[in-house]
Amino acid sequence: GQQLNQSPQSMFIQEGEDVSMNCTSSSIFNTWLWYKQEPGEGPVLLIALYKAGELTSNGRLTAQFGITRKDSFLNISASIPSDVGIYFCAGPPWFGNEKLTFGTGTRLTIIP
Amino acid sequence: DTEVTQTPKHLVMGMTNKKSLKCEQHMGHRAMYWYKQKAKKPPELMFVYSYEKLSINESVPSRFSPECPNSSLLNLHLHALQPEDSALYLCASSHTSGGAFGEQYFGPGTRLTVT
Repeated sequence: GQQLNQSPQSMFIQEGEDVSMNCTSSSIFNTWLWYKQEPGEGPVLLIALYKAGELTSNGRLTAQFGITRKDSFLNISASIPSDVGIYFCAGPPWFGNEKLTFGTGTRLTIIP
Repeated sequence: DTEVTQTPKHLVMGMTNKKSLKCEQHMGHRAMYWYKQKAKKPPELMFVYSYEKLSINESVPSRFSPECPNSSLLNLHLHALQPEDSALYLCASSHTSGGAFGEQYFGPGTRLTVT
């Protein structure tokens, strides 16, 4: 089946630094979703992308739908302590499919 | 409003108990989902309901029994669980129209411990 590989697996950064993570697929995706999950909570949808090349921002977060449709990137600018959590990319493997394929996750830790 | 609520927040049950997890959304979504999540892993799909009908069962053991009483509610009935079933159980919902399914919104989850 399709897999989504996220990198890096974990990040340790200082407050105020910018963060970049990406998600790659072996096949084309038509939608990319980025979620953040904090310990003991459910994933929260951050950004949804629907078109190749699309660049979308949500506050300090910016995500891009790769031109090849096989990857997506999430950037966080000027990180703050509440950015800590696990970030997952996800997407339906094809249009009309109700299943989401999830990435392996990127764990973000902020060093005081 | 993009809120999905789940009750209870935490549940501890013995292997002979019967319990139920509840999920509710008032976004008018007609697709609802149950996921199981183990620590440090992404969510794993268990069931999908579309227009109150079960559309996907990911080969889940029969000790998990889903129910969708109406378009806003989703239950997961639990019976004779095993310790390895301990996990975070997540409910999600999405709109569906013309064969397309929209973004999924997750609830806060129920932390289940089977003793």
